[in-house]
Amino acid sequence: EEQVVESGGGLVKPGGSLRLSCAASGFTFSDAWMTWVRQAPGKGLEWIGRIKSKAYGEIRDYGTPVKGRFIISRDDSRNTLYLQMNSLETEDTAVYHCVAGLGASEYDRWGQGTLVTVSS
Amino acid sequence: DVVMTQTPLSSPVTLGQPASISCRSSQSLLQSDGNTYLNWLQQRPGQPPRLLIYRVSNRFSGVPDRFSGSGSGTDFTLKISRVEAEDVGVYYCMQATHLPQTFGPGTKVDI
Repeated sequence: EEQVVESGGGLVKPGGSLRLSCAASGFTFSDAWMTWVRQAPGKGLEWIGRIKSKAYGEIRDYGTPVKGRFIISRDDSRNTLYLQMNSLETEDTAVYHCVAGLGASEYDRWGQGTLVTVSS
Repeated sequence: DVVMTQTPLSSPVTLGQPASISCRSSQSLLQSDGNTYLNWLQQRPGQPPRLLIYRVSNRFSGVPDRFSGSGSGTDFTLKISRVEAEDVGVYYCMQATHLPQTFGPGTKVDI
């Protein structure tokens, strides 16, 4: 079964850093375009960014609120996607979802998400 | 950024009756490759979102055929032919044509 599972969330102080991981299984991770989407408590969905597969140059694109602070990377040998979050702000508090594009779209398989809370 | 708007934002529905959600984008979502990257997502209470419809009108694997999508350019519609209890949740349209990709505010569907 195709699956993505996020980890690494927690409580962090403003200005701090955190790295999220997303472990993929059940599909050829190296072929997948991978995306991070977040959802603040009680709010809608916000696009964080995406990394294309190696065949497409592993090009990364970012959403406006996180550009210059967050970095998306992938390790195809470990079937794992990462989100390095720096200079965290209280507005970054959200559930962070990892999403795999498996051929139909970039949003074929969603993880349950991991909660990041930025608070002093 | 492309702004996605949805109407209504809340939709009380009756079981067995049809329901419809409209989505409008601030720019055309037709990409130079000829595709329109407009997706519909469903988020049931307490669950992560899941893909319902991709590229305007294609039902994703496992999605019941009571869900259908239509539209072009800047105006799109999600229809549920006969609402069932499991359809309760929030529905989002989103565009993947332009960067950054953007989501609509969501439409809450409840019985």
